[in-house]
Amino acid sequence: KAGVTQTPRYLIKTRGQQVTLSCSPISGHRSVSWYQQTPGQGLQFLFEYFSETQRNKGNFPGRFSGRQFSNSRSEMNVSTLELGDSALYLCASSLGLYTGELFFGEGSRLTVL
Amino acid sequence: DQQVKQNSPSLSVQEGRISILNCDYTNSMFDYFLWYKKYPAEGPTFLISISSIKDKNEDGRFTVFLNKSAKHLSLHIVPSQPGDSAVYFCAASADQTGANNLFFGTGTRLTVIP
Repeated sequence: KAGVTQTPRYLIKTRGQQVTLSCSPISGHRSVSWYQQTPGQGLQFLFEYFSETQRNKGNFPGRFSGRQFSNSRSEMNVSTLELGDSALYLCASSLGLYTGELFFGEGSRLTVL
Repeated sequence: DQQVKQNSPSLSVQEGRISILNCDYTNSMFDYFLWYKKYPAEGPTFLISISSIKDKNEDGRFTVFLNKSAKHLSLHIVPSQPGDSAVYFCAASADQTGANNLFFGTGTRLTVIP
């Protein structure tokens, strides 16, 4: 069974630009969550999508947004990038909304210069 | 404000001995707790979980203990093996905020010395 696939794996952007990250969940998984990992803060929850609807949102500014498609694939977008957005962005999928057991991808490492 | 804390950034143990990783939390609404393991250049992988109605859950060499009154949980690995060397994250969730909205600690790097 293929795991969670994230693209791109690495990217470099400059301040003010925007970025879109993509996530393909494990086949059959309908929930996709996004997390930001930074050295000082650990993993922090961004948002969760289920059946193309955002079900839950963490404490991040509106520059961070996402969406989910009918095939459960998800994208997250960060607009007007800031230096502090440099992080590893992890996507995780799960069978449903209330499992608590997430399957993570390898992440997309974003560097903002 | 970090609601889940792992106060030991690193831990080294000898192969064959017990590894004990600790985690404290502040939010009394947390009702589900998990441990994830992360190798370099990989995403975290689920290891073991425990519901707040239990105080112990065992899976092979891994046992998680929950002390609700102290808001403390620990992961025991017995016996420790070199392949267990990784970063371990403690995580918690609450029904109120959604089971997949996990609050993670900052991780403990475990090194098992052969």
